[in-house]
Amino acid sequence: GQSLEQPSEVTAVEGAIVQINCTYQTSGFYGLSWYQQHDGGAPTFLSYNALDGLEETGRFSSFLSRSDSYGYLLLQELQMKDSASYFCAVRDKGRRALTFGSGTRLQVQP
Amino acid sequence: EAGVTQFPSHSVIEKGQTVTLRCDPISGHDNLYWYRRVMGKEIKFLLHFVKESKQDESGMPNNRFLAERTGGTYSTLKVQPAELEDSGVYFCASGSTGTSGNTIYFGEGSWLTVV
Repeated sequence: GQSLEQPSEVTAVEGAIVQINCTYQTSGFYGLSWYQQHDGGAPTFLSYNALDGLEETGRFSSFLSRSDSYGYLLLQELQMKDSASYFCAVRDKGRRALTFGSGTRLQVQP
Repeated sequence: EAGVTQFPSHSVIEKGQTVTLRCDPISGHDNLYWYRRVMGKEIKFLLHFVKESKQDESGMPNNRFLAERTGGTYSTLKVQPAELEDSGVYFCASGSTGTSGNTIYFGEGSWLTVV
């Protein structure tokens, strides 16, 4: 089976940098994904890491270390609109569908 | 291009009643997934269709839940009879066969409240 752990809540101020960590346990591994969900909205894809290292997309970056079963999402130059829940997700050999973590609720304050 | 659409967006039913949720995936997406989020917890997997076939239904909580995808297009998820603990947001997502399966597109969810 799979399990993922991420902090339940994070608070930061506008313009700051925040890192949301995710550790996972899977039987086999096909990559770590990140999704963003605003209250009442649909989860939307942010990034995907299959290999170790940092992937950068604008203000958001995602990092993966397969040897440590660990990844993080880095959000820079925080804006109020970044307040949302952020989910890490993995896909492993046992299941073709994504398994999601419990989500980290990010609150950006002025 | 239209995204994943779900109907109804909100539903309030009494315990013991039946509710049917519908999902229209993005056109051409063979993979269709149902997920549920209860009380702000994790987005929990329910089942996965590839075209009209159930690829994985290991996440379905019990036999009160029935999902279909006749013709490999839209899908329905029926809860019969509904219980209080079935309340939550039911998300549908779709993805194309050509992707790694790590990028899927969600609908805005069907919010179910059982009273």
